[in-house]
Amino acid sequence: GQQVMQIPQYQHVQEGEDFTTYCNSSTTLSNIQWYKQRPGGHPVFLIQLVKSGEVKKQKRLTFQFGEAKKNSSLHITATQTTDVGTYFCAGSGGYQKVTFGTGTKLQVIP
Amino acid sequence: KAGVTQTPRYLIKTRGQQVTLSCSPISGHRSVSWYQQTPGQGLQFLFEYFSETQRNKGNFPGRFSGRQFSNSRSEMNVSTLELGDSALYLCASSLEARPADTQYFGPGTRLTVL
Repeated sequence: GQQVMQIPQYQHVQEGEDFTTYCNSSTTLSNIQWYKQRPGGHPVFLIQLVKSGEVKKQKRLTFQFGEAKKNSSLHITATQTTDVGTYFCAGSGGYQKVTFGTGTKLQVIP
Repeated sequence: KAGVTQTPRYLIKTRGQQVTLSCSPISGHRSVSWYQQTPGQGLQFLFEYFSETQRNKGNFPGRFSGRQFSNSRSEMNVSTLELGDSALYLCASSLEARPADTQYFGPGTRLTVL
């Protein structure tokens, strides 16, 4: 079945440093979504990418969908303490159910 | 619009007991999915319901079951609880059951099995 892996599993960064998490699927995806879960909270939708090679930005966050639609990345520029949390990608291929990635837990050291 | 609500928020049970968790989706949403979240396993998909029908099921034993009512509210049941069932159970609602639909998560039910 479809598998979605994320790396790294954990990342500690100094406040102000950049951060990137990568999402890799075993199959071609029709779309990919990104969610953020704050400590003690629940996943909250951030963005969806649909097109091959698509790049979308939300303030300091840049999301990219690979050309082959099998990988994606989330890059945060100049991290802040408010960026702390676990970032999940979630992909689906056609009519398959959404599969969540393993998540990357981000810690920002002030 | 009110968000997804889950009850109860916290639950403590002992091994062998059974438990029922409830989820009320966002008004107008017809799809409800359930996930189990543990520190070591991330978000594990349990099942998805749409229009009172189970559309997809994850790799969980038959002790885990669910249902959806005509008003889209959903319940999940876990029978014969085991210590390993301790987890945060999240439900998520979406407008339809299309893979591209955004999922809106509830706050979760924290289940502790002693």
